[in-house]
Amino acid sequence: NAGVTQTPKFQVLKTGQSMTLQCAQDMNHEYMSWYRQDPGMGLRLIHYSVGAGITDQGEVPNGYNVSRSTTEDFPLRLLSAAPSQTSVYFCASRTVTGGTDTQYFGPGTRLTVL
Amino acid sequence: TQLLEQSPQFLSIQEGENLTVYCNSSSVFSSLQWYRQEPGEGPVLLVTVVTGGEVKKLKRLTFQFGDARKDSSLHITAAQPGDTGLYLCAGAQGFTGNQFYFGTGTSLTVIP
Repeated sequence: NAGVTQTPKFQVLKTGQSMTLQCAQDMNHEYMSWYRQDPGMGLRLIHYSVGAGITDQGEVPNGYNVSRSTTEDFPLRLLSAAPSQTSVYFCASRTVTGGTDTQYFGPGTRLTVL
Repeated sequence: TQLLEQSPQFLSIQEGENLTVYCNSSSVFSSLQWYRQEPGEGPVLLVTVVTGGEVKKLKRLTFQFGDARKDSSLHITAAQPGDTGLYLCAGAQGFTGNQFYFGTGTSLTVIP
């Protein structure tokens, strides 16, 4: 049981490049989310999904796309990278079972946009 | 504008001391979670509180959700060096409670 896995761990992009951050979970959780963490800002929700085929925008969705074709995978796409997207990105999966709400985070992807 | 304000932002205490971290908002949340994050790692969930006035204990950690579900506190008794880390609160909002808003965090250092 690997939990939530993210790849790559580190990435450097040039302005205007595109890339996909991968996220996978093996816990069969319905809910998955992407957050970014910036110094002094805490974590901010980018996009989330409540199940395969269903996604919605969070607090800071501009410049990012997501899709959820399977329960396990929830990739985050940067369409045209900008220096303002330099951040640490965390994927999370969540389950609400028997009234207990539990969210698990991956190890993060550290992205630098030059 | 930050929906959840945490205080203090930084805290450095001696081993064995007690401390309280506060998480405040003017908004109502359907639930509130507390996390601890180590450098270079993702946050790890400590507790979820759902009912206004709810108190949960996890060993030396006591969590309380405000009666109006707008604020929460985390109290640590007899802090140990292993408690060192970044403590984050997160409130759930949205029609299905799926949108989580995080506080800016409290960085705790416990000195042996």
